[in-house]
Amino acid sequence: EVQLVESGGGLVKPGGSLRLSCAASGFTFNTYSMNWVRQAPGKGLEWVSFISSTTDYIYYADSVRGRFTISRDDANTSLYLQMTRLGAEDTAVYYCARGLVSGTTTPSPFDLWGQGTLVTVSS
Amino acid sequence: IQMTQSPSTLSASVGDRVSITCRASQNIGYWLAWYQHKPGKAPKLLIYQASSLQSGVPSTFSGSGLGTEFTLTISSLQPDDFATYYCQHYNTYTYTFGQGTKLEIK
Repeated sequence: EVQLVESGGGLVKPGGSLRLSCAASGFTFNTYSMNWVRQAPGKGLEWVSFISSTTDYIYYADSVRGRFTISRDDANTSLYLQMTRLGAEDTAVYYCARGLVSGTTTPSPFDLWGQGTLVTVSS
Repeated sequence: IQMTQSPSTLSASVGDRVSITCRASQNIGYWLAWYQHKPGKAPKLLIYQASSLQSGVPSTFSGSGLGTEFTLTISSLQPDDFATYYCQHYNTYTYTFGQGTKLEIK
C-alpha cells in the first residue's frame, strides 16, 4: 500500500527539541521530493520544509529556518524533521507530504499525505 | 507570495454549484493547486496546474485561472464535499497556502 506514516510527536516544554519521522512505503521513495506541512489548532495549512530527491535542494519557511532541519534516509525510506528551540507557536499537527512528480527537483504539489502527528509545546 | 481565498466560509446545499476564489499577490502562472481537508484526515489533492484534475477526483470538481486569479468550482455538491478547501501556489519553493474556505451545509 502506498502510504506515509508520521511518528514522534508529543508534549515538549518550550525551548525543547523533538524529532519527527515519516515512514514511506509502497513507492520508490528515493525518486520523490518530500515536504513537511503543519496545521496549528484552529488554523490553516502552513508549509514548513522541502527536500529534493537528491537532497541538493532544501528549503524552509521563514518561521522555522535556523531551528528546524529536514533530512531523509532513502535506505530506510524515511523522512525526518529535527525541531529545536520549540515555542508555543510550533504547536500543530505535522504532516509529511510527497511531491506529485517523481524524478524532478522543480516545485510540485503534494499528492500523498500522512495522517499527521501532533506536537504540543507547553510547560 | 501571499494567497488570499474568498469567501472564508460558504454555506450551501447538496446539489448546489459553488465557487471558491484564490488570488495571488503576484503572477504565479498556472502553478496553483487545490486541496480538500477534513478534520482528522490527510489533505487531498484535487487540482494541480490550475485546471488539471488529479487522478481519482470526481469530475464535479474543476479549476480555472491563470496569473493571479483562480477559481475552484464544484458543479453539484455531494454530501462528502463538505470540508475545508485550500489553494496553494508552487511556482517557488515557498509553497504558500491560502487561509482556507470552509464549506458548510446550509
